[in-house]
Amino acid sequence: AQTVTQSQPEMSVQEAETVTLSCTYDTSESDYYLFWYKQPPSRQMILVIRQEAYKQQNATENRFSVNFQKAAKSFSLKISDSQLGDAAMYFCAYRSANDRDSNYQLIWGAGTKLIIKP
Amino acid sequence: DADVTQTPRNRITKTGKRIMLECSQTKGHDRMYWYRQDPGLGLRLIYYSFDVKDINKGEISDGYSVSRQAQAKFSLSLESAIPNQTALYFCATSLGGLEDNEQFFGPGTRLTVL
Repeated sequence: AQTVTQSQPEMSVQEAETVTLSCTYDTSESDYYLFWYKQPPSRQMILVIRQEAYKQQNATENRFSVNFQKAAKSFSLKISDSQLGDAAMYFCAYRSANDRDSNYQLIWGAGTKLIIKP
Repeated sequence: DADVTQTPRNRITKTGKRIMLECSQTKGHDRMYWYRQDPGLGLRLIYYSFDVKDINKGEISDGYSVSRQAQAKFSLSLESAIPNQTALYFCATSLGGLEDNEQFFGPGTRLTVL
């Protein structure tokens, strides 16, 4: 079974600085999707960025980028120029591309709480 | 207007009571999901549905049941609530097919069972 591990329960960063959140996963599959979701105090779960495993190029979305290391099964999120609005829980999630075997579910890490210091 | 709505947003109930959490979506998606979030555990899948006639158990379905009343509506029931069902519950939707690689979440329902 696949697992997702976020080893940092909490991280803090100074406003305008850069922070990297770690995520590792375990799978025997070669084709899958990886996601970073943000959950602010409002509780809404918001997709930040998505990576397809077959793509070698790291995904980027404005100030958010990932470092996808397939062989190492690592998927870290880098937030550049941190803003107060980035304060939230961040969750890493995995989904198999093989729908039949995965039951179509997302496998989630436990989350990292990101604190932005003004 | 929100694409995925959940009612109620917060609920406090007593052990043994029957509770229904409702989810509606205007995204036109076929697939709908119910998740439970506990501190330190991320989200876990309770049930999922690919259409009105297709409902499947997820990782932690014991103690829960669901009803897909229409494409846009998917309800989660706790027949006899117990304290360890205290959690944050999320409904989510996805498009399905080759483009089904993103799920859209409702705002969550915080349920407390006393």
